[in-house]
Formats: sequence, C-alpha cells, structure tokens
Amino acid sequence: QVQLQESGPGLVKPTETLSVTCTVSDNSINSDHYWGWIRQPPGEGLEWIGSMYHDGSTYYNPSLKSRVIMSIDTSKYKFSLNLSSVTAADTAVYYCARGDFYHMDVWGKGTTVTVSS
Amino acid sequence: DIQMTQSPSSLSASVGDRVTITCRASQTIGSYLNWYQQKPGKAPKLLIYVASSLQSGVPSRFSGSGSGADFTLTISSLQPEDFATYFCQQSYSTPHSFGQGTKLEIK
Repeated sequence: QVQLQESGPGLVKPTETLSVTCTVSDNSINSDHYWGWIRQPPGEGLEWIGSMYHDGSTYYNPSLKSRVIMSIDTSKYKFSLNLSSVTAADTAVYYCARGDFYHMDVWGKGTTVTVSS
Repeated sequence: DIQMTQSPSSLSASVGDRVTITCRASQTIGSYLNWYQQKPGKAPKLLIYVASSLQSGVPSRFSGSGSGADFTLTISSLQPEDFATYFCQQSYSTPHSFGQGTKLEIK
C-alpha cells in the first residue's frame, strides 16, 4: 500500500513563503492519479487547497489561488506546495493525499506549520 | 463556491445505536459526495465516495445515501472505534469544499 509523508518547516514567519513536500513511497506518482493538498487549522475543519495531475495540470482553491503553487517531480517521487505571503491564518496541519479527481483515498499523516514571528 | 452544511454539529450516542448524519449542499451536486472519518491527531480516512460506494476495507455498518443536494451517512450499530468526527465533501466542482464536521461522542 502506497504511503505518503509530508515534510515541512514547522515554523514560518509572516509574509514569507510556506513550502511543504510530500514524498510518495512508490512509482504511482507516474500513473493515473491526482495529488492533493488539504489543510486543517487548529480545532477547525478541513479546507481543500487544490490538486494536481501527474502531468502537471493544477486545480486551486480560488480563495488561495493568488498565493499557491503546486508542483510535482516524478523522478524524485515528490510533489510540493508553496504558499506565499503567509499570515497567522495559514497556521494549520497540512495533509497531502492521493486519489482520483473526485475523492482522496490515501492520506499522509500531516505536518504542522505555524506562522509566527 | 458550493457550501456544505452538516447536521448535527455534535451527537452523543451509545455503542450499538444506529446513527445518521446529514449533509446538505447549497446547490445540486449529483452524487459527487464523499464521507471521511477523522480521529484526534490523525488524518481523515475515506469511508464513502460518490454518495454510496463503500471504500475498500471499511466495515459494512457504514452506508451512504442521497443525491442532488441532500445526503446521509448511517452507522447501523455503533462500535467503540466509531467515535470520531465525520466530514462530508463535495467534488462536483472546485473547490472541493467540506462540511464543518460532526463530532460523534460517547453518551
């Protein structure tokens, strides 16, 4: 069973860029799957950030679109999320996930990112 | 954006109870509705997709129904491991928005 593992900075300063990477345990990153990012602020619900196909096509949440870039490196079995100009409101657990376009059936354990000076 | 509203927001029940959670979309979404279970400190787990399809490995006591704008998740006989928070999600159009969650607690 494929496993996903997020890695992130832990702490990011306001106005800086948050970068989180998801490492995929097998070659499924090169096959017919979508790769997504979802976040969860402390004590709150889930927010869909966006998803991308292995060919690089992307779908972003309009509320974040001006600040988000997703990328994929199939040779390294990794995909990444960059979120620019962060504020305290971006403090959350960031999850990566795999699925088809309509649902995500494999999730990473999540990485906590705190935005604070 | 499509808004998803779950009810109730919290629910107390006992082991063996039959429980139903409702999710309503702000517009019709066909059957593009997923249900996830999340336990404290853990990632969400997919239970049901396209409204009524049971994800592999999920116990058959979980079932989903509905189409259009109104959906339900039913747990036929609550087990101790079912006490968790449940989220619905629409995937009819991006952004694939989630409901606010229903916390299922032990009575």
